[in-house]
Amino acid sequence: DTEVTQTPKHLVMGMTNKKSLKCEQHMGHRAMYWYKQKAKKPPELMFVYSYEKLSINESVPSRFSPECPNSSLLNLHLHALQPEDSALYLCASSQESSLGASSYEQYFGPGTRLTVT
Amino acid sequence: EDQVTQSPEALRLQEGESSSLNCSYTVSGLRGLFWYRQDPGKGPEFLFTLYSAGEEKEKERLKATLTKKESFLHITAPKPEDSATYLCAVLTYNFNKFYFGSGTKLNVKP
Repeated sequence: DTEVTQTPKHLVMGMTNKKSLKCEQHMGHRAMYWYKQKAKKPPELMFVYSYEKLSINESVPSRFSPECPNSSLLNLHLHALQPEDSALYLCASSQESSLGASSYEQYFGPGTRLTVT
Repeated sequence: EDQVTQSPEALRLQEGESSSLNCSYTVSGLRGLFWYRQDPGKGPEFLFTLYSAGEEKEKERLKATLTKKESFLHITAPKPEDSATYLCAVLTYNFNKFYFGSGTKLNVKP
């Protein structure tokens, strides 16, 4: 099973709202990722968690706050977003992110379509 | 500077008309090259991983190949259901993250 699940599928929020995106995988993967994808563009990496610790933050604004409660779950907390943050937010996981892993492919979830009004 | 370029940007084929998509890369220390398929509004679906020049992988009508400078995704006798955006990504030893190309949007007409 190579399934990554994300909830909700769609989210509309105002600029003053606080909301969270959730991601779950049960493949035993130890690396999890958040990407942002705008229309007709490739995914852009936001954050990487490796063994439940934040290992990469791609200079993402603080209105995006990631959290990895355990090895299967990844959250993205949203606060005071701007309309330009509207995008498809993708979660992915891989076996691990460090050198020496036996495989590196990332498996993506279906995404959350976020609209900021 | 590490770079990944995909061509063409868009490709229209008739059903059964075979073709190839290109992913060229200039990176220092390739750890792996990955092909994904993405349908509109959905997450990328993993297709292949290639690790070394000369390696080939096949799945149904798709075949991926890798040289020291580029990868090709060959589509043999495509069907309309193969219509999607195909993304390639590279993983390097220097930076532990995927660099995605901008994708090729494939449209197969019946």
